[in-house]
Amino acid sequence: GEDVEQSLFLSVREGDSSVINCTYTDSSSTYLYWYKQEPGAGLQLLTYIFSNMDMKQDQRLTVLLNKKDKHLSLRIADTQTGDSAIYFCAERTDYKLSFGAGTTVTVRA
Amino acid sequence: DSGVTQTPKHLITATGQRVTLRCSPRSGDLSVYWYQQSLDQGLQFLIHYYNGEERAKGNILERFSAQQFPDLHSELNLSSLELGDSALYFCASSEGTGDEQYFGPGTRLTVT
Repeated sequence: GEDVEQSLFLSVREGDSSVINCTYTDSSSTYLYWYKQEPGAGLQLLTYIFSNMDMKQDQRLTVLLNKKDKHLSLRIADTQTGDSAIYFCAERTDYKLSFGAGTTVTVRA
Repeated sequence: DSGVTQTPKHLITATGQRVTLRCSPRSGDLSVYWYQQSLDQGLQFLIHYYNGEERAKGNILERFSAQQFPDLHSELNLSSLELGDSALYFCASSEGTGDEQYFGPGTRLTVT
């Protein structure tokens, strides 16, 4: 079955790096995703990683995947106030996405 | 802007009523997915359509139904509404059946 878990809150100082962690349980997941949701808005696809990759970098975003431990992380370098949002980890099995509860990231000056 | 549009943005209705939520996928996308986001259940997959055909069902109640039309837009019908149906309903689309999903802005449904 699918069960995606994330820590609920993260507070980070502006300019520091943020690391958001996620664990999933379905070993048949093919892709893992990170979405961002700002207040009152929809989900914005940030990045994704194929399950046979260990790492993917996209500008300020770095995704690390440890398939053995079923652990996924998203690192945001040089965190800015505009990065304050809820970040969702999701795994894809078959055609649907299963989401974690979301990590609320607060960036403080 | 993801290119996925949803109407209406907000909907307030009473218990027992029926509503229809509408979604237009990104140009060229054949798949449409519906998700429900609520405080107690989080984001839950409801149903998936590909090129007019239902492909997968998730935690969708029998009171809920959906369809995808020949022009690829989709509608989610919610009937006999209960207070617990109050939630954000998102539509997402993808090019095929295994591609990344892009989400619309959502419809906020309030049942009073």
